[in-house]
Amino acid sequence: GDSVIQMQGQVTLSENDFLFINCTYSTTGYPTLFWYVQYSGEGPQLLLQVTTANNKGSSRGFEATYDKGTTSFHLQKTSVQEIDSAVYYCAMRPSSGSWQLIFGSGTQLTVMP
Amino acid sequence: AQTIHQWPVAEIKAVGSPLSLGCTIKGKSSPNLYWYWQATGGTLQQLFYSITVGQVESVVQLNLSASRPKDDQFILSTEKLLLSHSGFYLCAWSRDRDEQYFGPGTRLTVL
Repeated sequence: GDSVIQMQGQVTLSENDFLFINCTYSTTGYPTLFWYVQYSGEGPQLLLQVTTANNKGSSRGFEATYDKGTTSFHLQKTSVQEIDSAVYYCAMRPSSGSWQLIFGSGTQLTVMP
Repeated sequence: AQTIHQWPVAEIKAVGSPLSLGCTIKGKSSPNLYWYWQATGGTLQQLFYSITVGQVESVVQLNLSASRPKDDQFILSTEKLLLSHSGFYLCAWSRDRDEQYFGPGTRLTVL
């Protein structure tokens, strides 16, 4: 079945460190991939959407890439700040005709000042 | 601008009691609506979606039901709560199949 695996449960960095979070996906369709960010006590909000393989999306200093060959997608930021501390979720819509959104297990990012 | 409101903000209920959670979207006609459940410290699990009034599709079976009585309203309910129903319930809406906008959530504790 369709699935998303996000292995990094917790990441602790210092300010100005490089961030890299990886997810792998499994589906028989042509997926659309997303990164959502959730701050404590709030609902998630969309950070990035990547539709085309080998393309990149970028927002608020974050960049997302999608590799169809390895069925993986990554989120990275060159220099994290304390305000970036939050939970980051990768998510997948399995195909263009699907209404389902499948989330990874989330990565708790803590950025130390 | 569109706004999404969920009620109540938090609930503490007994096992076996009924539950009704609500969600209202203002400023957008014919939104696509979704319910999600998030266990404490866990990921988001999509429960239901609705693309039109009166029609609701179930994604997973958790002894919950959903209804869409009005274009801008989505209700999540059950007649008998289980301990496993505890968690954070999020309503979301979308214009199309892509970006979903989440509400503030309802924190449910079942004792």
